[in-house]
Amino acid sequence: QKEVEQDPGPLSVPEGAIVSLNCTYSNSAFQYFMWYRQYSRKGPELLMYTYSSGNKEDGRFTAQVDKSSKYISLFIRDSQPSDSATYLCAMRPYSSASKIIFGSGTRLSIRP
Amino acid sequence: DAGVTQSPTHLIKTRGQQVTLRCSPKSGHDTVSWYQQALGQGPQFIFQYYEEEERQRGNFPDRFSGHQFPNYSSELNVNALLLGDSALYLCASSLGSLGSEAFFGQGTRLTVV
Repeated sequence: QKEVEQDPGPLSVPEGAIVSLNCTYSNSAFQYFMWYRQYSRKGPELLMYTYSSGNKEDGRFTAQVDKSSKYISLFIRDSQPSDSATYLCAMRPYSSASKIIFGSGTRLSIRP
Repeated sequence: DAGVTQSPTHLIKTRGQQVTLRCSPKSGHDTVSWYQQALGQGPQFIFQYYEEEERQRGNFPDRFSGHQFPNYSSELNVNALLLGDSALYLCASSLGSLGSEAFFGQGTRLTVV
């Protein structure tokens, strides 16, 4: 079983829709949770960075962490064609020199 | 403010050869981590360098080695290349050994033929 599970998609929605992306994890030591956006043939771009449980909002993006269920989500409001990319969830424990564990990524396509 | 820069962007090597990839961290960052991303997969952690030492290593063979210089830049070396080493190699920089937020470069796409 992988430490981080993410539905690979692809996910296709019309422009303006609300998008929900999710990941589950098994390691209860994870304390930091991240979402990265990756365009084709580019490096991952950090979108959201949260510590422990709760919600964090940044513009059209909202990240939610539920540590009791070991479940994290990213919501995109008013989706735009430019949001079409692969979204990677990522997480790590609070410890020295800890490595980031990534999900396999969800491919998202926003139809104009 | 320059972000994380990697060189070269693309590279083609033959099986058995050796390759060196380079990374300059984001300004103000002192920690560099290297990741391997196969097509359709998430990045896999190779190792992390802080204060010019390897601090943690992922599940990669000794053919993968690295170095960090006093100016915090880093190199990834891969010896005896295999076809399976073909991937996007990503460098991430952060501040301090605890990691904080990690920012990635655009990657080096390595093709082994």
